[in-house]
Amino acid sequence: DADVTQTPRNRITKTGKRIMLECSQTKGHDRMYWYRQDPGLGLQLIYYSFDVKDINKGEISDGYSVSRQAQAKFSLSLESAIPNQTALYFCATSDLNSNQPQHFGDGTRLSIL
Amino acid sequence: DQQVKQNSPSLSVQEGRISILNCDYTNSMFDYFLWYKKYPAEGPTFLISISSIKDKNEDGRFTVFLNKSAKHLSLHIVPSQPGDSAVYFCAASAPEGNTDKLIFGTGTRLQVFP
Repeated sequence: DADVTQTPRNRITKTGKRIMLECSQTKGHDRMYWYRQDPGLGLQLIYYSFDVKDINKGEISDGYSVSRQAQAKFSLSLESAIPNQTALYFCATSDLNSNQPQHFGDGTRLSIL
Repeated sequence: DQQVKQNSPSLSVQEGRISILNCDYTNSMFDYFLWYKKYPAEGPTFLISISSIKDKNEDGRFTVFLNKSAKHLSLHIVPSQPGDSAVYFCAASAPEGNTDKLIFGTGTRLQVFP
């Protein structure tokens, strides 16, 4: 979905480095999410935010932090990357109304050596 | 514990025939279900959804059926086309205050061959 942009698309880094993945959206949605996908597994929720002042932990938040800089921007940080954080990361957005589908970016493939 | 299960990791169907993708869930509190399609190097794209108050929802070639007593839903694609070849994820959500967290299945890779 071109309305949800993730940068970078690919990143290779070393253990212990700090990494930031960025997500921006032009859909005007209030809600934003970060997911992680591992091979053979579904998407797991890391963090989500319902507005600029709201941050919530998902299923697997340990080792991650987020920042909601504006309605349109939601970044995910790995303070000290470790190899088992190697995965595909997706950002998503949804409208404020309940039961609205989430719209995903094209993902960031992160490899930690 | 996997609350949403897609037990078939892959499915191969001939073009023009019906594709049936299945999904089972364990949490009886789930009240909204979605199917997403994912092509390589792209994010998941919303396909179709169904509320727990319904047992069927149709959109063109795609129909989702929900059997609440069996905690089972299925996605039917008729007729299947080569462009439908992708990974399909089932997802479910439960009302938890103001949240709308989705729980995803592990996906089924559909291949439609000529």
